[in-house]
Amino acid sequence: EPEVTQTPSHQVTQMGQEVILRCVPISNHLYFYWYRQILGQKVEFLVSFYNNEISEKSEIFDDQFSVERPDGSNFTLKIRSTKLEDSAMYFCASSEVRGVVEQYFGPGTRLTVT
Amino acid sequence: SQQGEEDPQALSIQEGENATMNCSYKTSINNLQWYRQNSGRGLVHLILIRSNEREKHSGRLRVTLDTSKKSSSLLITASRAADTASYFCATDGSSNTGKLIFGQGTTLQVKP
Repeated sequence: EPEVTQTPSHQVTQMGQEVILRCVPISNHLYFYWYRQILGQKVEFLVSFYNNEISEKSEIFDDQFSVERPDGSNFTLKIRSTKLEDSAMYFCASSEVRGVVEQYFGPGTRLTVT
Repeated sequence: SQQGEEDPQALSIQEGENATMNCSYKTSINNLQWYRQNSGRGLVHLILIRSNEREKHSGRLRVTLDTSKKSSSLLITASRAADTASYFCATDGSSNTGKLIFGQGTTLQVKP
C-alpha cells in the first residue's frame, strides 16, 4: 500500500541553525500539508500546498518557514533559524484531491532544538 | 479560532468493552474526521463524516455528527488491546484548502 515517507526520523540541531525536513508524498497525490505536534499537545496545521503554491498557512508559519517541491517526488519544509520552541514532531501529509477527503500522514520527524 | 475538544481526555477499559469518545467544535464545517495515533507514530485516518450526514459506520467504528450541537462521537465496539492509542477529531472549519484543525485527543487504553 502506498505511504507517505519522511526523513530523517529524528533531527537534532542547535538554535539558530537551518533545518530541512523531507517528505515523499504518495505519488498520485496533488495536495500536500505540514503539521506539527509539540510534545503532549495537539496536532497543529502549518501549511497546505498545491500546484507549487501555498494554499493556506497558519500563524505559526512565519517568515522562518518555507516549503518547496524541488522535484516531482519530494516536498520539503525548511526552518531558517531554529528556535527552542520549534522542537516538535513534524508531520507531512498528502491527499489526492482537496477538501472533503482523508489525508495520509507520514510517520513524522522529531525535531529537537538545543 | 476554532478548537476541537475531545472528552474524555483519557479512557481506560477492558478488552471487549465499548469505548465512546466525544468531540466538540465551534465553527461551521464541511466534514469531520477521526484519526488514530499510536504512541510516537503518525496519524491514521479512521473515518470521515460529512456535514449532511448524521451517522456512519466502518467495521467496529460508529461515528455520529450533530451539527446543531457542533459535536461528534466515536464509538469503538468490542474493543481490543490493539485499539490502545490516542484518537483525534479533526475538522476543516469550512476551509477548502484541506487544512485540518485537530482536537486535543482522547488517550484510550484497552486492557487485555
